[in-house]
Amino acid sequence: GQQVMQIPQYQHVQEGEDFTTYCNSSTTLSNIQWYKQRPGGHPVFLIQLVKSGEVKKQKRLTFQFGEAKKNSSLHITATQTTDVGTYFCAGSNNDMRFGAGTRLTVKP
Amino acid sequence: DGGITQSPKYLFRKEGQNVTLSCEQNLNHDAMYWYRQDPGQGLRLIYYSQIVNDFQKGDIAEGYSVSREKKESFPLTVTSAQKNPTAFYLCASSLGLWGYEQYFGPGTRLTVT
Repeated sequence: GQQVMQIPQYQHVQEGEDFTTYCNSSTTLSNIQWYKQRPGGHPVFLIQLVKSGEVKKQKRLTFQFGEAKKNSSLHITATQTTDVGTYFCAGSNNDMRFGAGTRLTVKP
Repeated sequence: DGGITQSPKYLFRKEGQNVTLSCEQNLNHDAMYWYRQDPGQGLRLIYYSQIVNDFQKGDIAEGYSVSREKKESFPLTVTSAQKNPTAFYLCASSLGLWGYEQYFGPGTRLTVT
């Protein structure tokens, strides 16, 4: 069945540095979603990508969907302490699979 | 306010007891899901329901049971057959099945000793 791998598992950055997390699927996806879970909280939807090669931006966050629709990335420019949390990707085809998440910590 | 609620937030049980976790949504969503999250890990799907009176097993359904008698409600029972029940349980709902934005409840942290 479909599997979604996400790396890195952890990332610790200095405030102001950039951050990127990557997702790779074993199969072609119909779409991919990204979620953020703050410490002690629940996942909150950030964005959905559907088209091959799609790039979407939300302020300092840039989301990309690969040309083959098998990989995706989330890039945060100039991290802030409010970016702390775990970022999950979730790929859909005939079902939906979450990556294991990347836990981001930011040192002020 | 539209949203999805779970209760209780924390639950403590003795080994060998069944326990039921509540999940209610007023978003008029057809699809509902139960996930389990262990420390430092992602979300693993326990059960999902596309429509009232229908539900399907996810990847880790053993030791769990659900019902979907009403559109708004999707309770999860953790039975004594579940070998490692201590975890954070998240309920979610969406307009349709797969590929739709999922709205998550605040979660229930279950501790079994």
